[in-house]
Amino acid sequence: QQQVKQSPQSLIVQKGGISIINCAYENTAFDYFPWYQQFPGKGPALLIAIRPDVSEKKEGRFTISFNKSAKQFSLHIMDSQPGDSATYFCAASAGGGADGLTFGKGTHLIIQP
Amino acid sequence: ETGVTQSPTHLIKTRGQQVTLRCSSQSGHNTVSWYQQALGQGPQFIFQYYREEENGRGNFPPRFSGLQFPNYSSELNVNALELDDSALYLCASNTRNTGELFFGEGSRLTVL
Repeated sequence: QQQVKQSPQSLIVQKGGISIINCAYENTAFDYFPWYQQFPGKGPALLIAIRPDVSEKKEGRFTISFNKSAKQFSLHIMDSQPGDSATYFCAASAGGGADGLTFGKGTHLIIQP
Repeated sequence: ETGVTQSPTHLIKTRGQQVTLRCSSQSGHNTVSWYQQALGQGPQFIFQYYREEENGRGNFPPRFSGLQFPNYSSELNVNALELDDSALYLCASNTRNTGELFFGEGSRLTVL
């Protein structure tokens, strides 16, 4: 079964610090790698996404780093804020997405004031 | 712009019953996907509909079925409910040309 392995399961970061979440994948056909943010009682919301033709993408305080040879990608949240406290999911899909997104199991992030 | 809306938000069924969940896609989106999210887990892909036909399916049995209507809204039907079907069911929509999924807030199903 295609898998995306996400770590850590939970993470506590001080306000203003850097939050780092890592994911690894197996299927080399994957060509789209999004990160989703989910608050309790809400559906996942797209945060940032990358395709394998670039090694890094930055949007505001959020950065994806992508290592194609290692089949790994990570999310960095700079200057973490209490409002960033949520569950974060990495995901991957191949070939236009007809087979859907394969999600990691999620990281519960807590930003302490 | 209207986002993805789902109904009902919560429901309780007993084992063996059937359930229908509904989804209205975001304006301008022609593709709808359904995901199952068990407590503490990531969403799992059930299937995707485009032009009223299923064009992708995850590892779910045939008792999970769906429909897409001409206005791109969709239904998820689950027959012969099992206890393990208890989960948050998420609908997502997108345009055919982009991978960016927009999710609804989900329907929380409890099977007793």
